[in-house]
Amino acid sequence: DAGVTQSPTHLIKTRGQQVTLRCSPKSGHDTVSWYQQALGQGPQFIFQYYEEEERQRGNFPDRFSGHQFPNYSSELNVNALLLGDSALYLCASRQLAGDYTGELFFGEGSRLTVL
Amino acid sequence: SQQGEEDPQALSIQEGENATMNCSYKTSINNLQWYRQNSGRGLVHLILIRSNEREKHSGRLRVTLDTSKKSSSLLITASRAADTASYFCAYGGATNKLIFGTGTLLAVQP
Repeated sequence: DAGVTQSPTHLIKTRGQQVTLRCSPKSGHDTVSWYQQALGQGPQFIFQYYEEEERQRGNFPDRFSGHQFPNYSSELNVNALLLGDSALYLCASRQLAGDYTGELFFGEGSRLTVL
Repeated sequence: SQQGEEDPQALSIQEGENATMNCSYKTSINNLQWYRQNSGRGLVHLILIRSNEREKHSGRLRVTLDTSKKSSSLLITASRAADTASYFCAYGGATNKLIFGTGTLLAVQP
């Protein structure tokens, strides 16, 4: 049973560029959340997708956008990159309904460096 | 900010000793969870305690929750070098999102 997978694992961009990060949720999960974790900090909630729609959003600017596909996989897009966007981006999945235990399953993350 | 706070920020102990870390949060919650993170990798769920529970055990882990003080503690007994990691509390309210604390970096010396 594959867990949450994310790609790429590492990437380097320059200021002003755009980046797309990808996530495949754990088998059987239909809800994907994205978190940003700056060095030495706890993860910060970006947004959550369910049924291909953004259901909740944290305190992040519109430069951060996402998408969920019919197979439940998801993308995070960040436009006009700033130095402060350098962070580990974590994808987490869960099952919204049914036998939900409250636990989130995380991928290993995509580490973005903006130069 | 709704982000929870954890203390201590860093903790260094010897193998076999117990490690205690504390979390304070700011909102009403449905549950509080603890996660572990090795060296900036993905987070792994450790234990969940519901708002109507006061204490919960799982193996060497013990979690307490005091909703009147909006605080929780995680105790790791008989620590091992492999327990070296960052530990985060995370809590959820009526919405589905989790708010994470600032984390405690635990170093267990062999």
